[in-house]
Amino acid sequence: DAGVTQSPTHLIKTRGQQVTLRCSPKSGHDTVSWYQQALGQGPQFIFQYYEEEERQRGNFPDRFSGHQFPNYSSELNVNALLLGDSALYLCASVGQGEYEQYFGPGTRLTVT
Amino acid sequence: GQSFEQPSEVTAVEGAIVQINCTYQTSGFYGLSWYQQHDGGAPTFLSYNGLDGLEETGRFSSFLSRSDSYGYLLLQELQMKDSASYFCAWESSNTGKLIFGQGTTLQVKP
Repeated sequence: DAGVTQSPTHLIKTRGQQVTLRCSPKSGHDTVSWYQQALGQGPQFIFQYYEEEERQRGNFPDRFSGHQFPNYSSELNVNALLLGDSALYLCASVGQGEYEQYFGPGTRLTVT
Repeated sequence: GQSFEQPSEVTAVEGAIVQINCTYQTSGFYGLSWYQQHDGGAPTFLSYNGLDGLEETGRFSSFLSRSDSYGYLLLQELQMKDSASYFCAWESSNTGKLIFGQGTTLQVKP
């Protein structure tokens, strides 16, 4: 049973560019959340997708957007990249009625 | 708004017991979870408290007091592999949105 997978593992982008990160949830999970984790900090909630709709959103600007596909996989898009967007981006999935969230290995984004 | 307090660092020796505290101020409360994260790795779930009291899972236990807005993670029989960051994370509803604390770095020494 594959856990949560994310791609790519690492990414280097230049300020102003756009990036798309991908996530496949654990088998049987239909809810996907995205988190940003800066070095030395706890993960910060970006948004959550359920039934292909954004269900909740954290305090992130509109430059951060996402999508969920019918197979429950998800994408995170960040436009007009800033240096401060450099972080580890984590995807987590959870099943209905469960509280244990499964995190993927993350995508390390570096903006230069 | 919400805020958490966790110690930033804790050091203990192999075989010892360590307690990591988490106090919180939040609007609304559904449950408190604990996650472990090794350097460069993904957070992994350790424990969850939705009600007051102690939850035990092997060497790890977690406690919650909703009236005191306080919880802790207890790690027993410490092993070197327990060296990691530990995060308390709060949920305001059952939708799975986690708000993480700043984390506690635990260093286990021989």
